Amino acid sequence: SQKIEQNSEALNIQEGKTATLTCNYTNYSPAYLQWYRQDPGRGPVFLLLIRENEKEKRKERLKVTFDTTLKQSLFHITASQPADSATYLCAPMDSSYKLIFGSGTRLLVRP
Amino acid sequence: EPEVTQTPSHQVTQMGQEVILRCVPISNHLYFYWYRQILGQKVEFLVSFYNNEISEKSEIFDDQFSVERPDGSNFTLKIRSTKLEDSAMYFCASQGGLGEKLFFGSGTQLSVL
Repeated sequence: SQKIEQNSEALNIQEGKTATLTCNYTNYSPAYLQWYRQDPGRGPVFLLLIRENEKEKRKERLKVTFDTTLKQSLFHITASQPADSATYLCAPMDSSYKLIFGSGTRLLVRP
Repeated sequence: EPEVTQTPSHQVTQMGQEVILRCVPISNHLYFYWYRQILGQKVEFLVSFYNNEISEKSEIFDDQFSVERPDGSNFTLKIRSTKLEDSAMYFCASQGGLGEKLFFGSGTQLSVL
């Protein structure tokens, strides 16, 4: 069955450092992969989308890579700030009409 | 930026009662979704809806659940006979085109007593 794996342990880093979050998937052939941010008690908010023919995508301090051979996406936040503290969700999407989320990785940025 | 609106923000009900959760998606969007999140757990897909019919549904979405888009603007999730384990935050989402980003509402917190 399709499986999405994200680090279940929280990532705790110092302000100003780069945060790197990992998303691995199995039994998927996604055409796209999306990353979302979720704050406690709120709905997910879209951050970035990367397509299978793109190796890397950037938006301000955010960078996403997509390796279809390794079946992995990495999500980077450079110059991290305490306001970046949240749970980050990855969601590979195939041709079906559903977006399935990983369990998310909680990021804590210490001032 | 346009937003998805959900009502009510909180719903408390007795076990066995019917509840209807309401959503107003973004007006020109074509694809609609319901997700749920039990406290401390992941965001789980329930159902997707396109062209006035269900496109996909998960194992969670059994006969007790139904969705409807009654008037071209609202999108509702009905739970016919609620169970304790239905207590969760329910999120509605809409999408302009397949493969595009989803816009989520702020959720309805359902508590079944």
